[in-house]
Amino acid sequence: DAGITQSPRHKVTETGTPVTLRCHQTENHRYMYWYRQDPGHGLRLIHYSYGVKDTDKGEVSDGYSVSRSKTEDFLLTLESATSSQTSVYFCAISEWTGIITNYGYTFGSGTRLTVV
Amino acid sequence: SQKIEQNSEALNIQEGKTATLTCNYTNYSPAYLQWYRQDPGRGPVFLLLIRENEKEKRKERLKVTFDTTLKQSLFHITASQPADSATYLCALSDKLIFGTGTRLQVFP
Repeated sequence: DAGITQSPRHKVTETGTPVTLRCHQTENHRYMYWYRQDPGHGLRLIHYSYGVKDTDKGEVSDGYSVSRSKTEDFLLTLESATSSQTSVYFCAISEWTGIITNYGYTFGSGTRLTVV
Repeated sequence: SQKIEQNSEALNIQEGKTATLTCNYTNYSPAYLQWYRQDPGRGPVFLLLIRENEKEKRKERLKVTFDTTLKQSLFHITASQPADSATYLCALSDKLIFGTGTRLQVFP
């Protein structure tokens, strides 16, 4: 997707190992989000950021941490991966300024993570 | 807690017909609601946003309605085409609470 890239696209890791997923944007948007998508649950918000070093928890934040040291990068870390964290992870960006516009979120292509 | 429901069963329709997808929500009064399209293996793509004070929004063959009394949004695709086949997600403001999506299959 234009302006937002996720890496890696696929990853297989072992239970108990740390994993970091990266989201990079070139749109200079203030807000960045991490979601996970699982069958039957849809997209669920993990963490989001509203500026450099400003982050907050979402609905399913346990077991995850995030960091944003630059506007363009938002990292998601699984401190000690578990099988329940096997999922597809999506990053999204938005230019929310407090005023409702006609623009939605822009999503990345996703990272498929398998924890074995 | 906030809950958003979409028909989890796939919607199968014939090409040329109008597809109507439903999004219902509870325990929330969103300022706006969004609809996204998602193709297999891809991230969701934004389609339309409708505000709480708007009854209807159109974009080409797409139409969205928003009834805050019924707590429901309807998403219509007129003159549907096989290329419209995808999963459609609704999402509530402001940190985007997503429904599980409805899979639409348009047959020639």
